[in-house]
Amino acid sequence: GQSLEQPSEVTAVEGAIVQINCTYQTSGFYGLSWYQQHDGGAPTFLSYNALDGLEETGRFSSFLSRSDSYGYLLLQELQMKDSASYFCAVPYYGGSQGNLIFGKGTKLSVKP
Amino acid sequence: EAGVTQFPSHSVIEKGQTVTLRCDPISGHDNLYWYRRVMGKEIKFLLHFVKESKQDESGMPNNRFLAERTGGTYSTLKVQPAELEDSGVYFCASSQEGGAITGELFFGEGSRLTVL
Repeated sequence: GQSLEQPSEVTAVEGAIVQINCTYQTSGFYGLSWYQQHDGGAPTFLSYNALDGLEETGRFSSFLSRSDSYGYLLLQELQMKDSASYFCAVPYYGGSQGNLIFGKGTKLSVKP
Repeated sequence: EAGVTQFPSHSVIEKGQTVTLRCDPISGHDNLYWYRRVMGKEIKFLLHFVKESKQDESGMPNNRFLAERTGGTYSTLKVQPAELEDSGVYFCASSQEGGAITGELFFGEGSRLTVL
């Protein structure tokens, strides 16, 4: 089967840096996505890594190591509004283009 | 540009009743997906439409669930008869061609279903 593992909760203070890790087990691999979801809101796409390395988008960066089946989301200069759940996801290898497999999510709490 | 919209935002029904959830994708997005999150679990794929055709319905739990997308625009997901384990948040998402391969789907805020 295919699965993703990520921590269930992370707490950090405003202005700090936090890293949310994701390890995956898949029979094949296209790439790793990250989504943010505020309570009661829609999951919102943050980033996608198909190749090894670091992708930076403003305060958020995402990293992928295909050889280690591992990626992380790095959030810098944390703000209170970053408190949300963060999901890593991979397209189901061999499936339709819509079959994303999600991790269980990491709930990030940013404290003042 | 309007995002993905879902209706109703919350539905409370009794076991054995029927509920129909509606999703309006982003205009021009041929790909439409349904996902579900049961409390405490991960978001799970249900099915994928390309225009009006079901591309993949491997995630549909059983034949009590029926999804349609007549005309290739909005979609409905009907649960009949509803069971307690159907409670959860049903998300709809849409994308342009190949959206999921780029990892980017546009999600609605979900329809929360509570079956009593």
